[in-house]
Amino acid sequence: AQSVSQHNHHVILSEAASLELGCNYSYGGTVNLFWYVQYPGQHLQLLLKYFSGDPLVKGIKGFEAEFIKSKFSFNLRKPSVQWSDTAEYFCAVNYGGSQGNLIFGKGTKLSVKP
Amino acid sequence: EAQVTQNPRYLITVTGKKLTVTCSQNMNHEYMSWYRQDPGLGLRQIYYSMNVEVTDKGDVPEGYKVSRKEKRNFPLILESPSPNQTSLYFCASSPLTGELFFGEGSRLTVL
Repeated sequence: AQSVSQHNHHVILSEAASLELGCNYSYGGTVNLFWYVQYPGQHLQLLLKYFSGDPLVKGIKGFEAEFIKSKFSFNLRKPSVQWSDTAEYFCAVNYGGSQGNLIFGKGTKLSVKP
Repeated sequence: EAQVTQNPRYLITVTGKKLTVTCSQNMNHEYMSWYRQDPGLGLRQIYYSMNVEVTDKGDVPEGYKVSRKEKRNFPLILESPSPNQTSLYFCASSPLTGELFFGEGSRLTVL
């Protein structure tokens, strides 16, 4: 079955630390990849997405992600986190380019200490 | 403003009392979907719709119904709610690019 795995359930960092959140997906066919962020008490918002082309994609708020096809991975990175990055982060995969049908990972909660 | 609107945002109800959570989008998206979010389980898809009058089950459809009579609306119906349906519900819509646009969420408590 198609699935998405996020390696870390909860990550705690100090401000200015670097961030990398892991995401792996099953299946080796055509995929569209997404990272969403959910700030406390809010809905999910798109951080960045990958459809094709340059495997290093840049999103909002200084986030970036790298698609490594051979590893079925799409890790999220940020060089220097801020307290305002405290949120839950979800990786999502759309298999076969089918419109909208995203499979989500279980999320990684990020807590940034000031 | 492009948005997905859900109502109600908060609801406390009792077991067995039918309820409907409405969802409306103003972006002319063909695809709409409902998710529930529970701690430690992430988002799980309940139902989705590829177009008007076309709906299909997601991963956790039991206890829910949907309808898609108009392109903009996709209500979620709980015919006989039970406590295990206490959750945070999100409606979402998608253009052809595949990314999802989410509503603000509806927090439902079933006593």
